[in-house]
Amino acid sequence: QLQLQESGPGLVKPSETLSLTCSVSGASISESSDSWAWIRQPPGNGLEWIGSVSYTGSGQNNPSLRGRVIVSANMSRNQVSLRLTSVTAADTALYFCARQVGREVVVGGSLLTTVWFDTWGQGTPVAVSS
Amino acid sequence: DIQMTQSPSSLSASIGDRVTISCRTSQSISSHLNWYQQKAGKGPKLLIYAASSLQSGVPSRFSGSGSGTDFVLTISNVQPEDFAFYYCQQTYFIPITFGGGTRVEIK
Repeated sequence: QLQLQESGPGLVKPSETLSLTCSVSGASISESSDSWAWIRQPPGNGLEWIGSVSYTGSGQNNPSLRGRVIVSANMSRNQVSLRLTSVTAADTALYFCARQVGREVVVGGSLLTTVWFDTWGQGTPVAVSS
Repeated sequence: DIQMTQSPSSLSASIGDRVTISCRTSQSISSHLNWYQQKAGKGPKLLIYAASSLQSGVPSRFSGSGSGTDFVLTISNVQPEDFAFYYCQQTYFIPITFGGGTRVEIK
């Protein structure tokens, strides 16, 4: 059974770099054609997609984060990482990793290739404060 | 970015009620729409993918419909464990975006 476990420092100072790790168990990220995503949730607010990395190592990030994000995969450790530079108080949130599945689905008699996040971790809280 | 408008933002329901949550997108996304349930302190759980496909293991009282810009999540015969937050998500355009969420409370 696939399980994801996020970990990180908990507290980061403004202007520093946040580094988080998502440990994957129950599947090998190097043997999967799926991608891996990071999503965050500020206190009392909704969900924001941060970025994703595919099994080939290629990635896509949310343009709203203005190039501050690197999402990468460490195949040998079976982990996915997030680096977010120049953090501010606005980056305070609960950070989740998730498996991003892309499949063909029959919808209304037609084939549709689409994406969803089928497994999520419990999240790791990050506070940005001096 | 694709704007996702969920309504209502909260609702109260009694056990056994039928509940509907709407999600409207600012541009057509075909059927690239997913629904998630989130309970306090936990990661979201996938309920519906591709607008109307039920995720394995999810009770059949959950259903999804719609395409284009208008989508609906229906919970028939609401059970105590269904009281939670619900989010829609579009994956047609980058950035992937989520609706603002709907809180389903016990009446």
